Amino acid sequence: QVQLVQSGAEVKKPGSSVKVSCKASGGTFSSYAISWVRQAPGQGLEWMGRIIPILGVANYAQKFQGRVTITADKSTSTAYMELSSLRSEDTAVYYCARDSLTVAPGHFDYWGQGTLVTVSS
Amino acid sequence: QSVLTQPPSASGTPGQRVTISCSGSSSNIGTNTVNWYQQLPGTAPKLLIYTNNQRPSGVPDRFSGSKSGTSASLAISGLQSGDEAVYYCAAWDDSLNDVLFGGGTKLTVL
Repeated sequence: QVQLVQSGAEVKKPGSSVKVSCKASGGTFSSYAISWVRQAPGQGLEWMGRIIPILGVANYAQKFQGRVTITADKSTSTAYMELSSLRSEDTAVYYCARDSLTVAPGHFDYWGQGTLVTVSS
Repeated sequence: QSVLTQPPSASGTPGQRVTISCSGSSSNIGTNTVNWYQQLPGTAPKLLIYTNNQRPSGVPDRFSGSKSGTSASLAISGLQSGDEAVYYCAAWDDSLNDVLFGGGTKLTVL
């Protein structure tokens, strides 16, 4: 049974950074990519980027280039998403999701439970 | 504004068949496969349809997907109250190098 377990809710000040973790179990971590998707309150889904752990290569959505860093630790099967220069509009639930490597990105078959990040002064 | 266009809402009565459309362009749906997600209130999205028309294990065959040109559709037959959710389409865009989501369609079972 594949599971993605994310770290807990965070409250951050504008201008600061947040790092969210996503620990995978029950599958082969290195056989997939891990994507990050966020959802602002009452809004739709927004892809932020993904990492291929076996390669250590990440690519990012244009909107978040320069502000997001996605990393992975193969030894602990954990992926991380760090978002910097936070502003109020970054208040959202952040999800990690397992992404296939055999088809184009966007095939998210398992999701984490989500991490609420609140940005407030 | 999403690059993949979905109607914001859809509705039907129990037992009916409803369809939800997703319109894109040659750089996304026209070139790549479409996936559909169901998000029940307060929960993480769930993969419903992948590679245009494939159902993951455990998804009832009441749910089906199709793609033609730069558009895709999700059909739900035998509508049930438990199908009330928001449905999203998603596809990779070769020009933007991004995964694009539609804006979501809120399905109401009357």
